[in-house]
Amino acid sequence: GAVVSQHPSWVICKSGTSVKIECRSLDFQATTMFWYRQFPKQSLMLMATSNEGSKATYEQGVEKDKFLINHASLTLSTLTVTSAHPEDSSFYICSAMPPLGHGYGYTFGSGTRLTVV
Amino acid sequence: GNSVTQMEGPVTLSEEAFLTINCTYTATGYPSLFWYVQYPGEGLQLLLKATKADDKGSNKGFEATYRKETTSFHLEKGSVQVSDSAVYFCALSSGAGSYQLTFGKGTKLSVIP
Repeated sequence: GAVVSQHPSWVICKSGTSVKIECRSLDFQATTMFWYRQFPKQSLMLMATSNEGSKATYEQGVEKDKFLINHASLTLSTLTVTSAHPEDSSFYICSAMPPLGHGYGYTFGSGTRLTVV
Repeated sequence: GNSVTQMEGPVTLSEEAFLTINCTYTATGYPSLFWYVQYPGEGLQLLLKATKADDKGSNKGFEATYRKETTSFHLEKGSVQVSDSAVYFCALSSGAGSYQLTFGKGTKLSVIP
């Protein structure tokens, strides 16, 4: 089946530093990946759509310079939270859609718990 | 735009009780509908899906039927287990070349022995 690996699973960083989160499709190529943010006890909010070889498409209200997305290959998308602040603490999840016949719909990574202190 | 409304939680049930989590949606066209489950500290896993009206998705004893007339996709299970304790998300994809998912707020289910 289709597998998406997300790393790290959790990270603690100091205010003002940057953190990079990786999302890899392990057994399929993903031209499109999605980044979500989940606040405690709330739903997933789509942050951006990551397209291989081109700029990401950000949802309204998401700061492009704050959340840098790079999709340099067909199996890897990265989200970098720049100059992190405590309000950026959240659970970040990526997802990808495998090609038809290769898995069962959208596949999600296991998420990254970011805590900014 | 698209939206998904699901019943507020938390829901607490005894083991072997019947479960219903309501989900209604608003969308243009003919969306695909999904239920995802999130266990504590983990990402989302697809539980079941339905792609057209009257389709029934089922998995692990859970079922949901795509009802276009009532724009609903309620999740049911006849006998819940402690291991079913998780957060359940209803979601839709509008299709038409879009892979974006719109999620409900999630319903936390706790099953007690």
